[in-house]
Amino acid sequence: DIQMTQSPSSLSASVGDRVTITCRASQSISSYLNWYQQKPGKAPKLLIYAASSLQSGVPSRFSGSGSGTDFTLTISSLQPEDFATYYCQQSYSTPIFTFGPGTKVDIK
Amino acid sequence: QVQLQQSGPGLVKPSQTLSLTCAISGDSVSSNSAAWNWIRQSPSRGLEWLGRTYYRSKWYNDYAVSVKSRITINPDTSKNQFSLQLNSVTPEDTAVYYCARVEIAAAGPYYYYYMDVWGKGTTVTVSS
Repeated sequence: DIQMTQSPSSLSASVGDRVTITCRASQSISSYLNWYQQKPGKAPKLLIYAASSLQSGVPSRFSGSGSGTDFTLTISSLQPEDFATYYCQQSYSTPIFTFGPGTKVDIK
Repeated sequence: QVQLQQSGPGLVKPSQTLSLTCAISGDSVSSNSAAWNWIRQSPSRGLEWLGRTYYRSKWYNDYAVSVKSRITINPDTSKNQFSLQLNSVTPEDTAVYYCARVEIAAAGPYYYYYMDVWGKGTTVTVSS
């Protein structure tokens, strides 16, 4: 089974900061990596698919990069509505989707 | 705009069956490109994919190994919805359950899968 890890598990940042979250797969998954944002009491929301493709309607301050085993999600200028938990998810072994444990972004 | 509306009880007794339904609007459960999934989330297990149903000239199902002996996902074309049944539940099945659509993006010879539409979630507690 493919395992996903994320770092850090949490971070504190200020509005306007550049934020980077890392996701690592236990084996190569090419570009089969998605990113989601989840706010308390809500379902996850798709941000990025195929490692770097921005989902329709998602602000351009979100970007994704990486391939193989190492991936990053970057928020170029953190906005108040971006405080949330972010999850990576591999789709290499579809239909078995595996999620990372999440990175919580809160206010500094 | 595709929407998924979940329904079902929030409390289930141990050893009984958990049953949830996900009604689809704006798409079809018989879509030839989408797949219809159930995922759950708990503090101990995180986000966990449970299974899916999809139609490609005939109906298919796939289930996670962790629940394979206890789970059934069925489409209902007359109501344009799909359902989850999880048998013999224990307190470890306590979680928020989500339904979600998986769509496909083609890029050259490659196909990428992602969960682009989610239901709002149903909190299910297993307790006597």
